[in-house]
Amino acid sequence: DIVMTQTPLSLSVTPGQPASISCKSSQSLLDGDGKTYLFWYLQKPGQSPQLLIYEVSNRFSGVPDRFTGSGSGTDFTLKISRVEAEDVGVYYCMQSIQLPLTFGGGTKVEIK
Amino acid sequence: EVQLVDSGGGLVQPGGSLRLSCAASGFTFSSYEMNWLRRAPGKGLEWVSHISGNGGSTHYADSVKGRFAISRDNAKNSLYLQMNSLRTEDTAVYYCARRQRRYYDLWGRGTLVTVSS
Repeated sequence: DIVMTQTPLSLSVTPGQPASISCKSSQSLLDGDGKTYLFWYLQKPGQSPQLLIYEVSNRFSGVPDRFTGSGSGTDFTLKISRVEAEDVGVYYCMQSIQLPLTFGGGTKVEIK
Repeated sequence: EVQLVDSGGGLVQPGGSLRLSCAASGFTFSSYEMNWLRRAPGKGLEWVSHISGNGGSTHYADSVKGRFAISRDNAKNSLYLQMNSLRTEDTAVYYCARRQRRYYDLWGRGTLVTVSS
């Protein structure tokens, strides 16, 4: 199984300040079709997870442009340029290059 | 409205069984692969099971293989998860999710399964 390692475990951020989350996979997520199957989800308190970023760096429909995904191979980053109160929750990276699909352990983001 | 509504959770004793359901609406259900995922208390998300659009192909996490069975009824726009031989470690909120390409773009609100004596 591919192990996804996220850091940090938690973040406390002042509104308007940036935040960054790292995700490392135990093997490359670059598939033979040239796509890299790394995704970012946010689970807000009391809600279902919602897709933020697909294939490393593509924002899903309706996701604000303050969210940016980057990386390649086994090393990935999610950045929030200016954190807002509505961004609180747990962020997960996920790989879908092979079964079983696996998630990072999650990063809890809260507002100072 | 495009939505998934999952149901069927509850309290069950270890060794017991439960059947979860997920009702889809607002889209052509049979065109999509569907999955079950879960989040145990204090833990992260875990993929549980996958089924193809016509139901002919299924996959399971090792932790549930041989105990859980995923199925679908495209005529009823419904997805199911039959859970047998439940263990305390199966306690979690279970989500049905629609798979689009290689990601999940639509999730149910979740249904809580508690396995306890």
